[in-house]
Amino acid sequence: SAVISQKPSRDICQRGTSLTIQCQVDSQVTMMFWYRQQPGQSLTLIATANQGSEATYESGFVIDKFPISRPNLTFSTLTVSNMSPEDSSIYLCSVRTRGDGDGYTFGSGTRLTVV
Amino acid sequence: GENVEQHPSTLSVQEGDSAVIKCTYSDSASNYFPWYKQELGKGPQLIIDIRSNVGEKKDQRIAVTLNKTAKHFSLHITETQPEDSAVYFCAAPTDSWGKFQFGAGTQVVVTP
Repeated sequence: SAVISQKPSRDICQRGTSLTIQCQVDSQVTMMFWYRQQPGQSLTLIATANQGSEATYESGFVIDKFPISRPNLTFSTLTVSNMSPEDSSIYLCSVRTRGDGDGYTFGSGTRLTVV
Repeated sequence: GENVEQHPSTLSVQEGDSAVIKCTYSDSASNYFPWYKQELGKGPQLIIDIRSNVGEKKDQRIAVTLNKTAKHFSLHITETQPEDSAVYFCAAPTDSWGKFQFGAGTQVVVTP
């Protein structure tokens, strides 16, 4: 399965600032997905990042707040803009696993705390 | 869209006993169901999955069963060990492009 490197692993940020999270995959993948996991909660899909086109956002998430870049088939970034304490969460990137299964492989996540 | 419900939210078992987590889904067209294990401070890891053309799949101490008629699937962990302590998530597809709806998660605690 794919190996995902996600940076940073954690950060503490001031409200009103922005943080860019990087996701690097060791193989080319068509689709990359960004999830948010609020404390003690399940995973919620933010958007799907396709190479060569704009990201597709889920209901409740907008590009101005979570701009995404996908410059090539192995890399993507998610920016959390104009942060507030409510943005404190774990942010995870994932890709579709190659091989027999269709499940996702997840990165280790970015634990964001906004103060 | 797909709706996934997962129970129980917490599960405490003695080491060596079995643990069972159940999920129900709403979309009868769903055909693939993965289970993820998330340890503290880590991302979710795929541990087992099942396709809708089979009723059961095993991998050592873990197994998943699927009842398409009732639209539910379950994770079974036998001979539990302390390292099985984690949060487990089930998931079901919301479309054919690879999007999934995740269950709320089950915190499993295995006590020695």
